[in-house]
Amino acid sequence: EAGVAQSPRYKIIEKRQSVAFWCNPISGHATLYWYQQILGQGPKLLIQFQNNGVVDDSQLPKDRFSAERLKGVDSTLKIQPAKLEDSAVYLCASSLVTPQETQYFGPGTRLLVL
Amino acid sequence: AQKVTQAQTEISVVEKEDVTLDCVYETRDTTYYLFWYKQPPSGELVFLIRRNSFDEQNEISGRYSWNFQKSTSSFNFTITASQVVDSAVYFCALSEGGSQGNLIFGKGTKLSVKP
Repeated sequence: EAGVAQSPRYKIIEKRQSVAFWCNPISGHATLYWYQQILGQGPKLLIQFQNNGVVDDSQLPKDRFSAERLKGVDSTLKIQPAKLEDSAVYLCASSLVTPQETQYFGPGTRLLVL
Repeated sequence: AQKVTQAQTEISVVEKEDVTLDCVYETRDTTYYLFWYKQPPSGELVFLIRRNSFDEQNEISGRYSWNFQKSTSSFNFTITASQVVDSAVYFCALSEGGSQGNLIFGKGTKLSVKP
């Protein structure tokens, strides 16, 4: 069974530029999550989708971050404009339905904002 | 509010030593779930175990074992006879019940196993 796929793996941009990350969850998983992991810390949830609806985006900085999961399968997370403090690893995860079930993570996208 | 504390920032052991990683959690819910994940240098979070609050049985999987004690709100992880490949950052995480019971992670413990 294929795991969670993410691309790109690495991205370097300058501040004020925009960037987008893509995630394809495990087949059959209804729920998809985007996490931000700053160096030396645990992952922090940015947004949770169930199918194509948003369940929780309370920690998403909506002035610069946006995310969509239009067809209830893959998802895109965008940052526009990027700030230096957005430098982090962006992890995508998926679970069958609820957050209490095991979440399986992708390899992450490492973003460096200069 | 829910919280996960991993007090050990870094641990260094020599191969074949046993090592225990501590995890203390806070929650007001009676139904919750606890997890351990491993993050090797490659960066991907690898699932190790999931435990619900009603199951206090300790679990052993090969060289790995977990000790869940509700009385002390702890869910500790022991690696027996550690190996170099165990070197990674280990995260403990908590999820409360409900559709928005998302994973709350501790800050992680970096384990270095030296040959």
